[in-house]
Amino acid sequence: AQSVTQPDIHITVSEGASLELRCNYSYGATPYLFWYVQSPGQGLQLLLKYFSGDTLVQGIKGFEAEFKRSQSSFNLRKPSVHWSDAAEYFCAPRFGNEKLTFGTGTRLTIIP
Amino acid sequence: GAVVSQHPSWVICKSGTSVKIECRSLDFQATTMFWYRQFPKQSLMLMATSNEGSKATYEQGVEKDKFLINHASLTLSTLTVTSAHPEDSSFYICSASSPSGFYEQYFGPGTRLTVT
Repeated sequence: AQSVTQPDIHITVSEGASLELRCNYSYGATPYLFWYVQSPGQGLQLLLKYFSGDTLVQGIKGFEAEFKRSQSSFNLRKPSVHWSDAAEYFCAPRFGNEKLTFGTGTRLTIIP
Repeated sequence: GAVVSQHPSWVICKSGTSVKIECRSLDFQATTMFWYRQFPKQSLMLMATSNEGSKATYEQGVEKDKFLINHASLTLSTLTVTSAHPEDSSFYICSASSPSGFYEQYFGPGTRLTVT
């Protein structure tokens, strides 16, 4: 069965520290992969996407993600977080021609 | 580009009444739009997919007679919550498929519905 897992429900990091948010999926092929960010009470903003090619993709706001086929993972990273990065982050694969499947989300808290 | 708006951003209605939420693609034509529901501190749950000029496709467990979706034009889709009850209180988010293809979706800012 197709599925997506975001193992970390809540992560707290200090401002200026590095960040990695995990995303794993289960699928017989490589899905299209997306990361979205949702600020409190807001809709979702696309951070980055992976379809094929270079496995390290750059996104907006200084985020990047690396696709690792062997691990079925698409982890989101940022070298130095800012207080404004506090938000909910969703990994969302698209399996084949199916709809987006959203992970349960990871809530990011930034401490000064 | 690729901006999606929703109106209203929040609404309070009384139990038993109906409320309509609009979703518009402002600078592109969206042949496919999606409606999601999000409970507090939870992920998004797809309610239905609508294609312009045809009936919406509802996800399993979503009452199509309660959540009426109309996609009458390439820039407008509406969700009407009929005979609302307090349990319908939620955050409703729409999205539209990217004009460059189906692979990306652009999301509206959401509508907070509170039924009293």
